[in-house]
Amino acid sequence: GAVVSQHPSRVICKSGTSVKIECRSLDFQATTMFWYRQFPKQSLMLMATSNEGSKATYEQGVEKDKFLINHASLTLSTLTVTSAHPEDSSFYICSARATINQPQHFGDGTRLSIL
Amino acid sequence: DAKTTQPTSMDCAEGRAANLPCNHSTISGNEYVYWYRQIHSQGPQYIIHGLKNNETNEMASLIITEDRKSSTLILPHATLRDTAVYYCIVRVGGANNLFFGTGTRLTVIP
Repeated sequence: GAVVSQHPSRVICKSGTSVKIECRSLDFQATTMFWYRQFPKQSLMLMATSNEGSKATYEQGVEKDKFLINHASLTLSTLTVTSAHPEDSSFYICSARATINQPQHFGDGTRLSIL
Repeated sequence: DAKTTQPTSMDCAEGRAANLPCNHSTISGNEYVYWYRQIHSQGPQYIIHGLKNNETNEMASLIITEDRKSSTLILPHATLRDTAVYYCIVRVGGANNLFFGTGTRLTVIP
C-alpha cells in the first residue's frame, strides 16, 4: 500500500530555533502534499496544501513566512518552522496524494516541543 | 464539503463486529465518503472510501444507505489494536483537502 514517511518523529529544541520536517512518499509520486497540525485532544487542522513545483496555498491564519513549505519533487515536501516559539509546539502531520481522485495517505507525524 | 455527524465514543468487545455510524444528510451527488482512523500519537490511516456502492477491503466494509444520507463502517472482528479515533469524511471527488471533524473514539474491550 501507499507509504508516506515523515522525519523526524520527535524534535525538542530551544525557542528561536528553526526546525525542518521532511515528508516523503516512498512508493508513489505525490502531485499534492498537505501539512496538518494537531493540538492535544483536538482534531487535525489543515495548514497548507502544496503542489509539486508551485507555491503552497496556506489556510487562513497560517503565517506563510513562519511555516515555509517546499515541494521541489514528486516525492518530497518539507516544512520549516522558522524561529519556533513554545506556542508552535504541536503534532505536525503530512499527507500525500498521487492524483486528485486517490485517497490521501498520512505520515506518522512529528511531535515538536519548543522549550 | 458536507458535514458529518458521528457518535463521540463507542465500545466494542474484542472479537465482535464494530459498527460505526455516520450521518451525512447534506451529502451531494459527487461527494465520496471516506473513513480514516487515528491511533494515539500516530498519523491518520486510510481505511476505505465509497461513492454509492458498498465497499469491502482487507480492513473493513463500508455500507452506504440507498439515499446516501448515512453510512456505517464495519470492522468484522475487532481487536485491541483497532482502538482508535475513527473519522468519517465526505469530500468532493477532486477536492483538495480532507476536513477532520471530531470523530468517534472506539475502544475495544478485552
